[in-house]
Amino acid sequence: GAGVSQSPSNKVTEKGKDVELRCDPISGHTALYWYRQRLGQGLEFLIYFQGNSAPDKSGLPSDRFSAERTGESVSTLTIQRTQQEDSAVYLCASSLERGPYYGYTFGSGTRLTVV
Amino acid sequence: GNSVTQMEGPVTLSEEAFLTINCTYTATGYPSLFWYVQYPGEGLQLLLKATKADDKGSNKGFEATYRKETTSFHLEKGSVQVSDSAVYFCALMNYGGSQGNLIFGKGTKLSVKP
Repeated sequence: GAGVSQSPSNKVTEKGKDVELRCDPISGHTALYWYRQRLGQGLEFLIYFQGNSAPDKSGLPSDRFSAERTGESVSTLTIQRTQQEDSAVYLCASSLERGPYYGYTFGSGTRLTVV
Repeated sequence: GNSVTQMEGPVTLSEEAFLTINCTYTATGYPSLFWYVQYPGEGLQLLLKATKADDKGSNKGFEATYRKETTSFHLEKGSVQVSDSAVYFCALMNYGGSQGNLIFGKGTKLSVKP
């Protein structure tokens, strides 16, 4: 597609439930990133995928968080047993390759509210 | 480690005023520096970037110069418009090994009044 698409745009869930967030990157973009933006905070890096290489999971805050991506297609971020501190906007970005010379295109995000 | 510090907002200006949003960074090596903008209801967009010291990034009337001696990348615009109202994020990338991720500041909200 023309841009990075994320769904759902808004999600309200009860504490303890699992949620799954989806990201459709731009076709042909090998690099895909997930970030989290909590209220009043900057963007926190969560996880990075590059083609078929092992993902960089160094930013995942706990083992309740996981993400998958098959090849260069859709990615899903799963949060198990959600907690109130998980409430945030989750942003996905993609780029042709990793590195400062390639533009990163961000989606509009999924606003997650845990009640 | 790598980090970005930018001035806290919100910043409120009248139309045609001069804008400066300060950004300083801490990084090893020679990072690339970026400004991203997030308009209401939209995703982040790259505004400008600079990949080496003394480079000046510019776009849409905004400018920022990569100052290695002061580890700064301040965003400036000579005459802001109402349509510039948005949240601005300073970011760096230290490319190499596993460091090729964007690291963001907390963002500065700009409101421009007519």
